[in-house]
Amino acid sequence: ETGVTQSPTHLIKTRGQQVTLRCSSQSGHNTVSWYQQALGQGPQFIFQYYREEENGRGNFPPRFSGLQFPNYSSELNVNALELDDSALYLCASSRRGEETQYFGPGTRLLVL
Amino acid sequence: AQTVTQSQPEMSVQEAETVTLSCTYDTSESDYYLFWYKQPPSRQMILVIRQEAYKQQNATENRFSVNFQKAAKSFSLKISDSQLGDAAMYFCAYPGAGSYQLTFGKGTKLSVIP
Repeated sequence: ETGVTQSPTHLIKTRGQQVTLRCSSQSGHNTVSWYQQALGQGPQFIFQYYREEENGRGNFPPRFSGLQFPNYSSELNVNALELDDSALYLCASSRRGEETQYFGPGTRLLVL
Repeated sequence: AQTVTQSQPEMSVQEAETVTLSCTYDTSESDYYLFWYKQPPSRQMILVIRQEAYKQQNATENRFSVNFQKAAKSFSLKISDSQLGDAAMYFCAYPGAGSYQLTFGKGTKLSVIP
């Protein structure tokens, strides 16, 4: 069984740029959730995708957007990067109807 | 709003000893799940144990067990026979009934002393 994978591992961007992070869900899972984890904090829910549609969103502005593809993989896009967007971005997958989420290794984003 | 509180920012335990990490949560739901995740320095969030609220019996996974007190909205994690590899951040998380959005506590940093 293949676990959740994320790419890239690390990323450095400058303020105002755009970034795309990628996630492949665990085999058999059809739902993907994205979380932002600032240094020293617990993860904060960004949004969830199911059947290629956004299915719930946390308190994040519209410049945070996402996609889910037919193979259940997902992208997180962030436009107009700000310094406060520097964080660890975690992707988690699950089966619809089951509340246990399994996490990937994360992408560390640094905005300069 | 759902809240999850971990009141111990840091804990330490001697190798082979037992330690308990605390978590309280706020909910008006009656059926829900609760989770403990471990995040070592490698950053990957690893599921440690989960508890279903409608089950009376406390969940156990090898050296890890929970003390779930539904009325008190308390969900503590007990680690027995602590090992060096247990050193990590531990997060309590609650999704809420019918919600797949996990709400996390701020975490407890556990150090294991050889």
